[in-house]
Amino acid sequence: QKEVEQNSGPLSVPEGAIASLNCTYSDRGSQSFFWYRQYSGKSPELIMFIYSNGDKEDGRFTAQLNKASQYVSLLIRDSQPSDSATYLCAFGGTNKLIFGTGTLLAVQP
Amino acid sequence: DAGITQSPRHKVTETGTPVTLRCHQTENHRYMYWYRQDPGHGLRLIHYSYGVKDTDKGEVSDGYSVSRSKTEDFLLTLESATSSQTSVYFCAISEEVQGRTEAFFGQGTRLTVV
Repeated sequence: QKEVEQNSGPLSVPEGAIASLNCTYSDRGSQSFFWYRQYSGKSPELIMFIYSNGDKEDGRFTAQLNKASQYVSLLIRDSQPSDSATYLCAFGGTNKLIFGTGTLLAVQP
Repeated sequence: DAGITQSPRHKVTETGTPVTLRCHQTENHRYMYWYRQDPGHGLRLIHYSYGVKDTDKGEVSDGYSVSRSKTEDFLLTLESATSSQTSVYFCAISEEVQGRTEAFFGQGTRLTVV
């Protein structure tokens, strides 16, 4: 079993809709979780982090964490074409971050 | 951009030749990492360093070596490049922010082995 599982997509949503990105992880000891956004040909950039069960909101982004189910998600409200990118989830391992394979999001104008 | 510079940004090399990629940081971060990114595999950790001359292997370390003789530089060497090592390589640093580890990435190096 991979340490982090993500659906590779593409996930296609219309402009203005809510995009829902999901990730499961295997390490029950993980304490910190991250979402990175990566535009084509660019390096990943950190957009959200969460380490407590529940929801964390930052602007149009909401991260949700359920440690019992080993599940973390990212919701993007009012999706814009500029949100089209690959979204990588990651969790904090010992001295390093473990990444998923990423989900490609395409927001259709 | 967390002061991370990778060089070169692009390189084409022949199978069997040695290749060294350089990662330079200006902010005295203790932890540095080399990842490779390939379609369908995401970011995979090659090696990381937790201080000068202190390094450890990641999940895909075969065929790679690293060195860190100064805090600011972390070198990744492909001893004898193979076509399977064609990839985009990212250097990253991490810093502790309020008890959690956050990683920041360099611009990436696109390596093609022909």
